[in-house]
Amino acid sequence: AQRVTQPEKLLSVFKGAPVELKCNYSYSGSPELFWYVQYSRQRLQLLLRHISRESIKGFTADLNKGETSFHLKKPFAQEEDSAMYYCALLLGTYKYIFGTGTRLKVLA
Amino acid sequence: GAVVSQHPSRVICKSGTSVKIECRSLDFQATTMFWYRQFPKQSLMLMATSNEGSKATYEQGVEKDKFLINHASLTLSTLTVTSAHPEDSSFYICSAPTGGGPNTEAFFGQGTRLTVV
Repeated sequence: AQRVTQPEKLLSVFKGAPVELKCNYSYSGSPELFWYVQYSRQRLQLLLRHISRESIKGFTADLNKGETSFHLKKPFAQEEDSAMYYCALLLGTYKYIFGTGTRLKVLA
Repeated sequence: GAVVSQHPSRVICKSGTSVKIECRSLDFQATTMFWYRQFPKQSLMLMATSNEGSKATYEQGVEKDKFLINHASLTLSTLTVTSAHPEDSSFYICSAPTGGGPNTEAFFGQGTRLTVV
């Protein structure tokens, strides 16, 4: 069955510390994976997609098919990174399955 | 980026009444839109796929007669919660995708907080 797992509900780090938000998936096909972010009082928005292999706001994520993971990383956390982060798996053309989300709190 | 607008952002209704929530894509056309439900501190649960000009596709466990979806145009999908009960109180979010495949990007509405009293 298709599934996205984010094991941590809450992750607290100090400003300047590295961040890793974990995401594991279960999918029989070739996965298309994304990270979405929701800042306080704002709507969900795309952070990055694995296919583009880009760095957005200092965040990167590498698809590891052997470990079925797509962890989100940033070397130095900033306070403005505090938000809710969702890992998402694309099924078909448009349909997503979202993980349960991880709340990142960056402490001053 | 593209904009998806939901209306209303908050609604309080009495038990037994029906509530309609609108989802509009403001600057692009969307043949497909999605409706999600989000419980407090939980993930988005996909309820249904709204298809322009045809019937919606509902996820397992979602009552189609309870949650009526209409996608009458390429820019508007509506979700009607019929005969609402307090357990229907939740945060409902719509999204409309652009692109396709690995270039897909979903644009989300701001959500609608429904409270049934």
